[in-house]
This record gives sequence, structure tokens and C-alpha cells, in this order.
Amino acid sequence: AAGVIQSPRHLIKEKRETATLKCYPIPRHDTVYWYQQGPGQDPQFLISFYEKMQSDKGSIPDRFSAQQFSDYHSELNMSSLELGDSALYFCASSTRTSHGGGRTDTQYFGPGTRLTVL
Amino acid sequence: AQSVAQPEDQVNVAEGNPLTVKCTYSVSGNPYLFWYVQYPNRGLQFLLKYITGDNLVKGSYGFEAEFNKSQTSFHLKKPSALVSDSALYFCAVNDYKLSFGAGTTVTVRA
Repeated sequence: AAGVIQSPRHLIKEKRETATLKCYPIPRHDTVYWYQQGPGQDPQFLISFYEKMQSDKGSIPDRFSAQQFSDYHSELNMSSLELGDSALYFCASSTRTSHGGGRTDTQYFGPGTRLTVL
Repeated sequence: AQSVAQPEDQVNVAEGNPLTVKCTYSVSGNPYLFWYVQYPNRGLQFLLKYITGDNLVKGSYGFEAEFNKSQTSFHLKKPSALVSDSALYFCAVNDYKLSFGAGTTVTVRA
């Protein structure tokens, strides 16, 4: 079965540089989520999109922005990178069901992008 | 705010023995609870979820979880653990986004 695709898998940047992470959801999934997992930590929600509109926002720095495109893929843009941005960034996708309005939907995760800021 | 807690950082069991990973929740309204497993340098894999109905939920790879409303718990269980079950396990609550517990590292020794 098709899974969530993330690219690149690894990324090394210098401080103050920019980075763009890409996510391709499972076909026919309409919702995309971004999470950040620091070393030894649990994943933290950043932002989500439903049908190409931002649906929820978590602890995402103002230096970060994201969008979902017409083909449902999503990109996370990160500017003025800091050492503390080094983490594993996950994308997840789901398909909205009527029951629960999104709270009951299973999120399927991609393999992640490991960002290292030097 | 919706949250889950995993009281144990680590669980160690011998292969063939029962495995339990604990999770408690604090939720207003109906709880929508999930278990995920993460292998080193890999993404999170969905194991099972509780939405409503039967308190015993069966999932992937022989795992099951018991929802207990009175104890506000959602413990993950496997009757006979395998060495390959060694991984990091996360409990999560879904409030339009997943909020995870701190994770429990499971080590199954041969």
C-alpha cells in the first residue's frame, strides 16, 4: 500500500539558512499534519491542513510557514534556521470521516526528514 | 486541555512473557486514544485506536489495548512479547491533532 512520502530524508543546513521540506500524502487523503520531534522527545504538533486550508496551528515558530497545494502535497518552509531547529520532522496524512470530525481519523506518518543545523 | 501520560520510561520483559505498556489520559468529553510504535530512525507506525464501543481494542502485530473509563487508562498489551517488539511506544490523544505521551522504551530480551 502507498505510504506518506517525505523528501528529503536528510538535510544539513547552516544557521540562518532556509530549508524546505516536502510531504506527499497517501492518495485520496485530504488532511496533512506536520510534527517536530527533538532528540529524546515526543513529537510536537506544528500545523495541519484540510482540503488545502490551514485547519489548526500548534507550537510553530513564526519563522516557519507551510501550505498545502492543489495536488494535496504540502511543504514546510523554515527560515533563519537556528541550532534548536535540529530535529526529526514528520508529516502525517489522514482522510476525514464524518464521525468525530477528524478526531477519530487515523494519522499515517511518513519516515521523517532529519534536519541538522550546524 | 487533552493529555496523556506514560508513567514508565522503560519496560523490560523476557521474550514469551506478557507485555504491558501503561497510559493514562485526561480528557474532557469523549476520549479518542491511539497507540503508535517507533523503531530507531523510522516514522511512527499506527497500532490501534479507541473511538467508542468495546473496551478491548485489537490492533496490529498481536497488540491489544484495554480502555478503562473509571481508571482513565488505555494500557497496551501483548500476551507473548517478541524480541522484535523492542521499540519506543507512544500513547496519544486526538483533539484534531495528536498529543503524545513522553514515550516508553520497550526492551524484550531473548
